[in-house]
Amino acid sequence: GQNIDQPTEMTATEGAIVQINCTYQTSGFNGLFWYQQHAGEAPTFLSYNVLDGLEEKGRFSSFLSRSKGYSYLLLKELQMKDSASYLCAVRSYNTDKLIFGTGTRLQVFP
Amino acid sequence: DSGVTQTPKHLITATGQRVTLRCSPRSGDLSVYWYQQSLDQGLQFLIQYYNGEERAKGNILERFSAQQFPDLHSELNLSSLELGDSALYFCASSVRGLAGGPLDEQFFGPGTRLTVL
Repeated sequence: GQNIDQPTEMTATEGAIVQINCTYQTSGFNGLFWYQQHAGEAPTFLSYNVLDGLEEKGRFSSFLSRSKGYSYLLLKELQMKDSASYLCAVRSYNTDKLIFGTGTRLQVFP
Repeated sequence: DSGVTQTPKHLITATGQRVTLRCSPRSGDLSVYWYQQSLDQGLQFLIQYYNGEERAKGNILERFSAQQFPDLHSELNLSSLELGDSALYFCASSVRGLAGGPLDEQFFGPGTRLTVL
């Protein structure tokens, strides 16, 4: 089976850096995705990791360690608009479906 | 705007009724995925279609069914509705939907908010 764990809520201050962790157990790993979702809106794609290491994309970076079943999303120079839920999702080999964690709700304060 | 469209945006109905949710994927995308998101729950994968054929199934209830038509749009049918079926239903699409492919990110539509009274 598959299991994905993320913290439920996090808070941070505008301009700061925050790291959102995700641990997963899956059979046949084929990629880890991070999505951002504002309340009541559609998830939007942020990043993708399939090999170990860091992927950087502007203010957002995502890290993967396949041996540890661990990923994190790093958000730098936080802005108020970054207040949202961040969803970690895993894709298994031989299937296209994404299994999502319950998401981490991030609140950014001035 | 992801390019994925869903109708209707909101749907209010009564228990025991049947509804149909519609999704049009991005131009060129062959795969369509349906997800359910209940209050305080994550996105739950329901079902995937690829080029008209069912490709993967999640924990989809027997009361729910879906299909993908030759023009690649998809419909999710929910019948004998219960209060617990109230949720946001998202459709997503991707280009290839083939296992082992590259990024093949999924693009999500705006969702249909279903309220069962």
